[in-house]
Amino acid sequence: DTGVSQDPRHKITKRGQNVTFRCDPISEHNRLYWYRQTLGQGPEFLTYFQNEAQLEKSRLLSDRFSAERPKGSFSTLEIQRTEQGDSAMYLCASSSPHGESSYEQYFGPGTRLTVT
Amino acid sequence: QKEVEQDPGPLSVPEGAIVSLNCTYSNSAFQYFMWYRQYSRKGPELLMYTYSSGNKEDGRFTAQVDKSSKYISLFIRDSQPSDSATYLCAMSVPGGFKTIFGAGTRLFVKA
Repeated sequence: DTGVSQDPRHKITKRGQNVTFRCDPISEHNRLYWYRQTLGQGPEFLTYFQNEAQLEKSRLLSDRFSAERPKGSFSTLEIQRTEQGDSAMYLCASSSPHGESSYEQYFGPGTRLTVT
Repeated sequence: QKEVEQDPGPLSVPEGAIVSLNCTYSNSAFQYFMWYRQYSRKGPELLMYTYSSGNKEDGRFTAQVDKSSKYISLFIRDSQPSDSATYLCAMSVPGGFKTIFGAGTRLFVKA
């Protein structure tokens, strides 16, 4: 399977715990995006990487959130001191560096986080 | 006001019907317009993208962009029960990497 993969698919955690999600993009894609999606809403942009550089971070991303993409390959999204409001689907997407194809984002299956 | 507005539905149609899904937007700088399909508890799947104004056709799907009205549409011909999903419109500005999504329209196609 050469698509975007995410791990874990589901995560249940208690409020106050830290969680980390992983995303493996399509191998030739140098652009990687993280989104958050809540029920009945479209994905909301969180952050963007071009290779290993984090070029944009949404105001939605509080200081409790951090994302990394070492060596421009896989990426991790960490949430510290989780709150119930963090419960959502966290989606990762990647896109090609080439021309207009960069606007075609390919999504992974998402990680569903439930904070109890 | 949201940058991208999309009627959440649900929209229920009989099998074989022509479906029309729409979005309006407020940012005139948007030039790239995408449609995604999302099945329940899955990630969005890119259906089509269009640059600037005009039409684009791919099989049973046609995307239309009217920049003068800030209005985009997706038409599905000969709809099938397997088309039942949430359809998300999305938009980007040239050179940008931040894509803005609509809330999605839930579509049900009844056999």
